[in-house]
Parts: sequence; structure tokens; C-alpha cells
Amino acid sequence: DIVMTQTPLSLSVAIGQSASISCKSSQSLKYSDGKTYLNWVFQSPGQSPKRLIYQVSKLDSGVPDRFSGTGSETDFTLKISRVEAEDLGVYYCCQGSYSYTFGAGTKLELK
Amino acid sequence: QVQLKESGPVLVQASETLSLTCTVSGFSLTNYGVIWVRQPPGKGLEWMGIIWRNGNTDYNSALKSRLSINRDTSKSQVFLKMNSLQTDDTAIYYCTRDLLWWGQGVMVTVSS
Repeated sequence: DIVMTQTPLSLSVAIGQSASISCKSSQSLKYSDGKTYLNWVFQSPGQSPKRLIYQVSKLDSGVPDRFSGTGSETDFTLKISRVEAEDLGVYYCCQGSYSYTFGAGTKLELK
Repeated sequence: QVQLKESGPVLVQASETLSLTCTVSGFSLTNYGVIWVRQPPGKGLEWMGIIWRNGNTDYNSALKSRLSINRDTSKSQVFLKMNSLQTDDTAIYYCTRDLLWWGQGVMVTVSS
């Protein structure tokens, strides 16, 4: 099974600062069709999760362009520029190339 | 409008079988797969399994021996069954399409 390792597990930021979360997979996520099925999922407290980014860098509809996803093969990064209060919660990377696996989650808190 | 809604018992006895239903609307199960995800209290998300649009299934290897996922396309329903429940199966159980559309989840408590 593929293991997804997220760092850090907790991140304190001030409103307006940027934040960066790393996600590493135990094997390449590039599928046989040439696509890389790496997702970023966000969960605010008490709410159902929701996907923000799919295929490494594609933003879902309505997701602010303060969010960006980069990476390839086994190393991926979610960056949030100019953090806002509504961004506080837990971020998960999730691979969908070989079944699915979630990372442990990164809790974004207010400094 | 895509919607998913989980339903099922909120309290199950240890060693018994959990049966949950995910009722979907706004899309056809023959066009999209449905994923089951669970979240123990205060912990992270765990992928449980998926039923693909062609009816094939894949399961988390840690749960595979206890888990089955089926569907009734005519009723737009997906079913999860997991046997031999233990207290650490206590969790919120979600169904989701594409990780984009999620149900509100159902909190299942396994009592010893």
C-alpha cells in the first residue's frame, strides 16, 4: 500500500502570512495514463471535508487562487498565500492513483 | 445538484455487523464511483473502499477481510457492510464522490 507522509502535522500562522505543507508518497503517483492523481482535501472544524485541488495543481471551482499545488512523482506541496481565517482547519493530501490513501493531516492554526 | 446522504444505525454492539447506506442524487452510479471514508473522533481521515462506476470494488487492505461495498443503481444507493466490529471502529462514516462531494456523515458508536 502507498504511504502518504505529511509535514508538518501542525502549523501556526498569522492572518496574511503564507503557509506551506509537504506531502511525500512512498512510490511515484504518476499513473499509466500519464496523470498524477494527487488531491488536497480541507476540513474545517465540525464540517465534512471538501476537495480543494486535484491532479496536483488543478483548483476546484470556487477555490481562491491563494491556494496552489505543485509537485511530481513522490513530492508534493500545498501553498496558501495570505492565509485568511476561513482557511483554518486540517489539510489532507490524498493519492488516488492506486486506490486511495490519505496523509495524516496538517492542522493549520492561528498564531 | 450532486448530493450524498449516509444513513444507518448510530449504535452497534461489538462483534456485530455495521450496515450503512449512501443515497445519492444529481448523478448516476453508472457514471461515477462512490468512496467510503471514516474518521474516528479527533483523528484523521481513513479511506475504506470504493465502488467504481462499472461496479468493481477496491478495499483498504487493513479492512478488506471485514468489508464489502455494493450498490443498487436503480435506487441510487451504495451499501457498506463491515463485520466483526470493535470499539475502535467508532467513527464518523462518510460517502463521497470524487472527494469533491461529500455527505454530512453518520456518527457510529460501537459499544462493548
